[in-house]
Formats: sequence, C-alpha cells, structure tokens
Amino acid sequence: EAGVAQSPRYKIIEKRQSVAFWCNPISGHATLYWYQQILGQGPKLLIQFQNNGVVDDSQLPKDRFSAERLKGVDSTLKIQPAKLEDSAVYLCASSHRGVSLYEQYFGPGTRLTVT
Amino acid sequence: RKEVEQDPGPFNVPEGATVAFNCTYSNSASQSFFWYRQDCRKEPKLLMSVYSSGNEDGRFTAQLNRASQYISLLIRDSKLSDSATYLCVVIGGTTDSWGKLQFGAGTQVVVTP
Repeated sequence: EAGVAQSPRYKIIEKRQSVAFWCNPISGHATLYWYQQILGQGPKLLIQFQNNGVVDDSQLPKDRFSAERLKGVDSTLKIQPAKLEDSAVYLCASSHRGVSLYEQYFGPGTRLTVT
Repeated sequence: RKEVEQDPGPFNVPEGATVAFNCTYSNSASQSFFWYRQDCRKEPKLLMSVYSSGNEDGRFTAQLNRASQYISLLIRDSKLSDSATYLCVVIGGTTDSWGKLQFGAGTQVVVTP
C-alpha cells in the first residue's frame, strides 16, 4: 500500500515570497491533516479535512495560510506571504476513521526554510 | 499552561534497562490517547494506543491515569533502536474540542551501548 506522498521535500524561499505544498493521502482515507512542526516542538494541527470539507482550521493563520482539498483526495497548503517564523516542517497525514479511529499515517514532510 | 505536556528529556538509558516517562493533559474530558514515535528528521509513526485498562505491546507498556490526568509509556529491555522522540497525542472530548488532536512536544530517549 502506497503511503502519504508529499512534495516538494525541501523548499527555501525569501520572506514575503509565496510557497505551496502538495499532499496525496493514502487511497481511501477520508480524513486529511496538515501540521506544522517547528524544530524541538510537537506537530501543531493547522487544518483537518473530512473528504473535501473543513473540520477544524482554528489554528490556521488565515491571513497568510490557505488550504484546499477540492475533490476530496489530494490537498495543497499555501503560504502567502511567508515570514521567517514559518520555517518548519509541514507534515501531511491521513486517516481512515472507519478502520482505526484517529490512527494517522504521516507523509515525509516538506522542510521549509524562509530566509 | 499547555494542554499536553511532556518532559523533553533526554532520558539517557543503558541498553537493556527500563525507562518510563509521562505525559500530562489539562482537559479532563479528553477521550483518546496515543503514543507516537518520531525518529530524527523523520515523520511520526503510531506506536500504540492507550486504553483505560492499560495495554502492552511487546516491550512497551502504556497506562492511563484519568484521576491524575496523565498517560505513561514504559520501555523494558531497551534496544539501541528505541532511541527516538516519543510524542503523546490527546484527543479532545468536550463539545468544543471534540475530536481535536493535540500533540505534546515529545520526550527524547537515547539508548546507549
């Protein structure tokens, strides 16, 4: 079974530039999560989708971050404009609640450096 | 106060020894609990769920203490490959936190030869 795919794996941008990350969850997983993990901290949930609807985006900085999952499969997360404090690993995860409630499978992440 | 707190460590453990550490949570209505493992520069992976009655998976034992609001993880007969950061995850159970996931910052374990 293919895992969660993410791209790019690494990205370096200057502050005030824009960046987008892509995630393709495990086939059949209805729930998709985006996390931000700053060095030395645990993952912080940014947004959770159930199919193509948003379940929780309470910690998403909506003035600069946006995410979509238009067809209920893959998803993009965008930052515009980026700030230095956005430097982090952005993790995508998916889960199939019907099988194992809340067990999440993570992708390898995108390591973002904002200079 | 953070909703989920962990001792960051590191816990330096001789190979073959036992190590245990806790994770405290502030929301008494939290409904589900998990331990994830994260290797350096890798993604988190589910280690085990934590059940009310406690559960064991090989050398790993997880416990839940609802009265004191903490979960624990014990690793017996530590292996070098157990070196990692262990993240606890708490799922909200109140009306406004239902299903919300909170990760702790992680506890680093270093197993030495």
